[in-house]
Amino acid sequence: DAGVIQSPRHEVTEMGQEVTLRCKPISGHDYLFWYRQTMMRGLELLIYFNNNVPIDDSGMPEDRFSAKMPNASFSTLKIQPSEPRDSAVYFCASSLAWGGTGELFFGEGSRLTVL
Amino acid sequence: GENVEQHPSTLSVQEGDSAVIKCTYSDSASNYFPWYKQELGKGPQLIIDIRSNVGEKKDQRIAVTLNKTAKHFSLHITETQPEDSAVYFCAGFIIQGAQKLVFGQGTRLTINP
Repeated sequence: DAGVIQSPRHEVTEMGQEVTLRCKPISGHDYLFWYRQTMMRGLELLIYFNNNVPIDDSGMPEDRFSAKMPNASFSTLKIQPSEPRDSAVYFCASSLAWGGTGELFFGEGSRLTVL
Repeated sequence: GENVEQHPSTLSVQEGDSAVIKCTYSDSASNYFPWYKQELGKGPQLIIDIRSNVGEKKDQRIAVTLNKTAKHFSLHITETQPEDSAVYFCAGFIIQGAQKLVFGQGTRLTINP
């Protein structure tokens, strides 16, 4: 398996623009997670899905952020409108199991810079 | 909220020496504690984990210890090598409230040749 695939790897955009990050989880993994990594706040869980259904979105910073998982092999994280403070590395991860028993497999991340 | 504290934030050791990273957690019901290693430009990768019914676990040069009473756990790397240089994250599976894996702030480990 190719692992978790994220795109784009790098995105530079201007404040106010819409940003869409994409993720393809490992086939057969029922759980998908979106994390944000910054120097100040470390790795933060934004949202996670189980069988394509959002389970916990309490980490989504505000209404400008939205995430979808239309099918088992694809998820998006959208920021509209983007702001400079959204600059971070966004990671997608997938897992075969959860409840404290599943290894998270991370993608290589999408580095977002909002000017 | 429930959190995981990690120390130190940076650590520099001579090649061949041992490195120790420590974490504390607040949720006494937490039962799963993984450690992830993140190399430059890549996502974190699981290197070892420990569950609450075990006090210590080893995998070659890496070991993790857990003290449930004191609510702390540690990562030990022996005979360090240059390829051990990376950022290491501890994490705890928080059960109280919304169940989630909470990561520590990370430790940047540098192995000096």
